[in-house]
Amino acid sequence: NAGVTQTPKFRVLKTGQSMTLLCAQDMNHEYMYWYRQDPGMGLRLIHYSVGEGTTAKGEVPDGYNVSRLKKQNFLLGLESAAPSQTSVYFCASSYYRGLRTEAFFGQGTRLTVV
Amino acid sequence: TQLLEQSPQFLSIQEGENLTVYCNSSSVFSSLQWYRQEPGEGPVLLVTVVTGGEVKKLKRLTFQFGDARKDSSLHITAAQPGDTGLYLCAGGGPSSGSARQLTFGSGTQLTVLP
Repeated sequence: NAGVTQTPKFRVLKTGQSMTLLCAQDMNHEYMYWYRQDPGMGLRLIHYSVGEGTTAKGEVPDGYNVSRLKKQNFLLGLESAAPSQTSVYFCASSYYRGLRTEAFFGQGTRLTVV
Repeated sequence: TQLLEQSPQFLSIQEGENLTVYCNSSSVFSSLQWYRQEPGEGPVLLVTVVTGGEVKKLKRLTFQFGDARKDSSLHITAAQPGDTGLYLCAGGGPSSGSARQLTFGSGTQLTVLP
């Protein structure tokens, strides 16, 4: 059981380049999320999705776009990378039952923009 | 915006010592989770608490949810080097919210020295 899989694991981009990060989950979760993690700032929500075909902005959405064409996949795009987007990106999926929201994370993508 | 503040931000202790990490907010959460993250990995769920005053134990780890469901604590007894990692608390969105998004604290970096 793979859980949440992110690709790629590492990437170096030049300023202005574009790229797409792929997240795939095999747990049939409705909710999926993209976070970025920077030193001393914890996890900050970029975008999230509550189901196939739906997306919404999180805390720090500027410079990113997302798509959820299939329930199991959640894509994060950077149209024109900037050095401020150097970070570790985590995808997560979660279920919500009763009062519980529990998330499962991928291993992360370390992105450096030079 | 629901904010979660964790303290302390950094903690370095000797093997065998006890410690407590705090997670505080001015907002009420429907559930609260604790995650542990090791270098190069994504956060891994340790426990979920949903009832005010709830206490859960996981071997040497004791988790407590505040009576008002605004805060939580993690107590580790007789810490071991294997407990080293970044501990993150996360609050589940309000039950009346439109999305079950998680709000993360900034984390406590724990180092247990042998």
